Amino acid sequence: DAGITQSPRHKVTETGTPVTLRCHQTENHRYMYWYRQDPGHGLRLIHYSYGVKDTDKGEVSDGYSVSRSKTEDFLLTLESATSSQTSVYFCAIGRAGTYNEQFFGPGTRLTVL
Amino acid sequence: AQSVAQPEDQVNVAEGNPLTVKCTYSVSGNPYLFWYVQYPNRGLQFLLKYITGDNLVKGSYGFEAEFNKSQTSFHLKKPSALVSDSALYFCAVRDTVDSGNTPLVFGKGTRLSVIA
Repeated sequence: DAGITQSPRHKVTETGTPVTLRCHQTENHRYMYWYRQDPGHGLRLIHYSYGVKDTDKGEVSDGYSVSRSKTEDFLLTLESATSSQTSVYFCAIGRAGTYNEQFFGPGTRLTVL
Repeated sequence: AQSVAQPEDQVNVAEGNPLTVKCTYSVSGNPYLFWYVQYPNRGLQFLLKYITGDNLVKGSYGFEAEFNKSQTSFHLKKPSALVSDSALYFCAVRDTVDSGNTPLVFGKGTRLSVIA
């Protein structure tokens, strides 16, 4: 599992509330990613980071922001959660020197009521 | 831009029979190709990858995949399926012309069901 943890693992929240998901890695990898997984859509990239304070948008970044103030933590924030953001969120790291082979955390199941 | 297609949402196979999960890709340059497996309520696990060289790549749990450049395919195979192989399988690609931090692009996944 490449030392990746996600917190919380489950969360239920209400529409309009802010939500922050945390991804923590213990192996000092430079590249980190946030994906969401939805039936019929597979995995879609939300944001990614290639170093501290260096982030970029993915395919479905609207309504999400990220921050990476230190190498080991990559935070995903839903500023004002909507029901369409109900999903399973996966964090991944990319191992340098492996052609960006990615390794995934256990996921966070988020329900927005 | 790169893309991946997994044409089958669901594949059913009897235990002991060979299995194939299909994947086709589109890139501008040459591909780096990956297969991942996801068991229920778990994250994705890396199975195998093709970078260059031999077109037949062997991976974890007895799986292998064949790279076919002319057909732009990277099908996942196993000679004899097990019930425990039942899971969701994802194909992913990255274009070699992209920089090192470019994320993988994933297909929508194929659910494999192995029936005893």
